[in-house]
Amino acid sequence: GESVGLHLPTLSVQEGDNSIINCAYSNSASDYFIWYKQESGKGPQFIIDIRSNMDKRQGQRVTVLLNKTVKHLSLQIAATQPGDSAVYFCAETPRSGGYQKVTFGTGTKLQVIP
Amino acid sequence: NAGVTQTPKFRVLKTGQSMTLLCAQDMNHEYMYWYRQDPGMGLRLIHYSVGEGTTAKGEVPDGYNVSRLKKQNFLLGLESAAPSQTSVYFCASSFGGGELFFGEGSRLTVL
Repeated sequence: GESVGLHLPTLSVQEGDNSIINCAYSNSASDYFIWYKQESGKGPQFIIDIRSNMDKRQGQRVTVLLNKTVKHLSLQIAATQPGDSAVYFCAETPRSGGYQKVTFGTGTKLQVIP
Repeated sequence: NAGVTQTPKFRVLKTGQSMTLLCAQDMNHEYMYWYRQDPGMGLRLIHYSVGEGTTAKGEVPDGYNVSRLKKQNFLLGLESAAPSQTSVYFCASSFGGGELFFGEGSRLTVL
């Protein structure tokens, strides 16, 4: 069945180091993947997305990697800062337009150690 | 731009009481959603709407009703609250696809 899951529920990193958050998905028909950041007491916020025809996409300090062979998605955060402390969710949909069922993972908590 | 606004932000109910959560978006989005978030279970879709006057069931619709009389508003109702409905509720909207814009959440406790 469809599922999106995370390997690590909690990740602690030193400030300035790079962070890598992983996500596994099982629906090979998924075409569009998104990472969300949720700070304490707030709603999830879009960070970056990637379509299945790409294997890498970069944003400001963040990079998403997609490995369709093993159905794996990762979010890399460069030079992690205290403001990056949050829960990160991966999500996937069959397509990028119209109404799509969005399947969310359970989340990984990133703790940045000053 | 306010984005997605949810009211109220906090509410305590007794078992059996009813209430309505209001969601308003000012981005002219067609699609709107109600999710609940519980520890260790991620976000689960309760109901959604693909346009004004339409609603549809999500993964966990039982005990909830919704209405979308105006494009910018999406209401979530609890007819007879139960302790199992204690949760944080998030409204979201989108133009389509997986990029959702979320509200700040409404924390509901049912005693």
